[in-house]
Amino acid sequence: EPEVTQTPSHQVTQMGQEVILRCVPISNHLYFYWYRQILGQKVEFLVSFYNNEISEKSEIFDDQFSVERPDGSNFTLKIRSTKLEDSAMYFCASSEAGQARGQETQYFGPGTRLLVL
Amino acid sequence: AQKITQTQPGMFVQEKEAVTLDCTYDTSDQSYGLFWYKQPSSGEMIFLIYQGSYDEQNATEGRYSLNFQKARKSANLVISASQLGDSAMYFCAMREGIDYGQNFVFGPGTRLSVLP
Repeated sequence: EPEVTQTPSHQVTQMGQEVILRCVPISNHLYFYWYRQILGQKVEFLVSFYNNEISEKSEIFDDQFSVERPDGSNFTLKIRSTKLEDSAMYFCASSEAGQARGQETQYFGPGTRLLVL
Repeated sequence: AQKITQTQPGMFVQEKEAVTLDCTYDTSDQSYGLFWYKQPSSGEMIFLIYQGSYDEQNATEGRYSLNFQKARKSANLVISASQLGDSAMYFCAMREGIDYGQNFVFGPGTRLSVLP
């Protein structure tokens, strides 16, 4: 069964460093998303991406964040200068985004646990 | 105002019994989708079940069913015949609006513990 994959599974970085989180969405999906989950808290939306551009972003997704689809398979989240409060689990998700029943379901990757020291 | 409310921070259930996890939502849209995800201690988010706002029947997927009461804006998850492996966090989520690629809003979650 196709699934969303993410690398790395864990990332430890120093405050102020840049990190790139990588995702490979399900191949026939058209919408891509990043969410984050601070330890013990609920899942929060960061950004959605469709047709090679950002379609929606939250207040969390400030100038320190960027997303890119550098090729036909990868979808990346870059944090330019990490802060302590960026420590969280980052989930990539994808969906077909069609209007047939259930096609809007978002399938999540296993997550990247980011720790900023 | 919270879009998704899950009033049970924690629940216990005896193995093989059924359990209902509550979810209420707030939207003024006519078109929306409701979803339940399971998050085991390993951290991944596993899709369980989907209910569209125009679906007339309650959704079912194996041991999972969704008790959809549109007028009350509730979408409770029912797990029948609980298993030890069902112990996890459970999140209710909603997609609002006519754009089917819209982001999801998640509730705070319910931690379910299945007792042997």
